[in-house]
Formats: sequence, structure tokens, C-alpha cells
Amino acid sequence: SQQGEEDPQALSIQEGENATMNCSYKTSINNLQWYRQNSGRGLVHLILIRSNEREKHSGRLRVTLDTSKKSSSLLITASRAADTASYFCATDSRLFSNDYKLSFGAGTTVTVRA
Amino acid sequence: EAQVTQNPRYLITVTGKKLTVTCSQNMNHEYMSWYRQDPGLGLRQIYYSMNVEVTDKGDVPEGYKVSRKEKRNFPLILESPSPNQTSLYFCASSFTRNGELFFGEGSRLTVL
Repeated sequence: SQQGEEDPQALSIQEGENATMNCSYKTSINNLQWYRQNSGRGLVHLILIRSNEREKHSGRLRVTLDTSKKSSSLLITASRAADTASYFCATDSRLFSNDYKLSFGAGTTVTVRA
Repeated sequence: EAQVTQNPRYLITVTGKKLTVTCSQNMNHEYMSWYRQDPGLGLRQIYYSMNVEVTDKGDVPEGYKVSRKEKRNFPLILESPSPNQTSLYFCASSFTRNGELFFGEGSRLTVL
């Protein structure tokens, strides 16, 4: 079952522009993660934000988390051709006291045009 | 270099012919997991393992088996593959079940 859902499904931007994608989820989480996948390759972890954090930065990436709205956003600033990829959010949901289930959304495909 | 290694990367097989996709990690991770990725469906978890000899079903376990005899290895077994198992498969590992996952490069399986 998909806990997180990304929006939009696809995004096309010009090199140098910013790209923003969103992730909405249904149940309470402990953390939310963002991953990148280049075409047909393995996913690469980008950033993890905990439920008690509101914003996190890593290089040109900025992630926000709004637990009241059950949503997160990933902003890529000053995009480059190399940022062309699919981006996935992954959310954990607590099953038992120390047992979590990590679920991925269907992803946002970002194309950066030169 | 820290990595998750899957083999084979590409495989075309026929219905009913048993196959195994191997997965090995060199990071001493306790948690390992298998996912399949299909267009529009994202990643769906097949099986996972919290530690040696501890495995459990994910969201789509039907038609698959796994084993965890050693900490570093977590093979995925398709006893009798069917065309609906044609997919891109990923193995991943992590220190904890909800921590940062390290993914292999994927195994593209086609069942005719």
C-alpha cells in the first residue's frame, strides 16, 4: 500500500530554474525520506527529515515537512541537466512499538532542459 | 566501497523455470529488503529481513521466497516464475527498518 504520494507526476523545467515537488501521506510518521533514481538505476538516498523537524537543507536541496498537513516538499534550486531523474518520497508508519514500515510513493519524474 | 550487489542485472527466462536473484551487502546492515518496481506503481516491498533467520512478508510476497542464512546475503527466489513477475527488482539494506536505505543497481527480469 502506498503511504506517500508525490505531486506532480512529471515536471519539466529549464536549466537554472527551481523544481518543487510535493509528497502527501496518510498516517503519522517518524521520518520522511527523499530518494533520487536515474533512469533504470538504483535509488539513491537524498535526505531524511524527522517528524520533529520542519526544514532541512543539503546542498541545493531543501526539504520541508508539515506534519499538521501530512505533507512534505522537495525543492531543487538552480537545476542542472544532471538533476534529470525520478524523485521518490518514502514514509515510515509505526506498526508496533519498534516496528516500522517504509512505503514509497510512485515518484515525480523531473526533466531539466538545457 | 559500501555497496549492495545484485546478480544477475538482466535475465530473460521462461514460465516455470526456477531462478534466484542474489543480493549481498558489505555494510554489516541488519535490515534487508526486496522491492519490485513497475510503471506507475512505485516500489512495492516483496519481503524483508530484520536479521539472520528472520524474514517476513511485505506487500506483494506471492510467488516469491527469500532466505537469510548469513547477514550479508538475502537471495530472492522465484520457484515458478510467471509473466506477471516481469519487473525491475531492487535489493536494499539499512541499519534500521526505517533508516536510510542503500539500494542495489537493480535486476531486470523478463518472464516469457
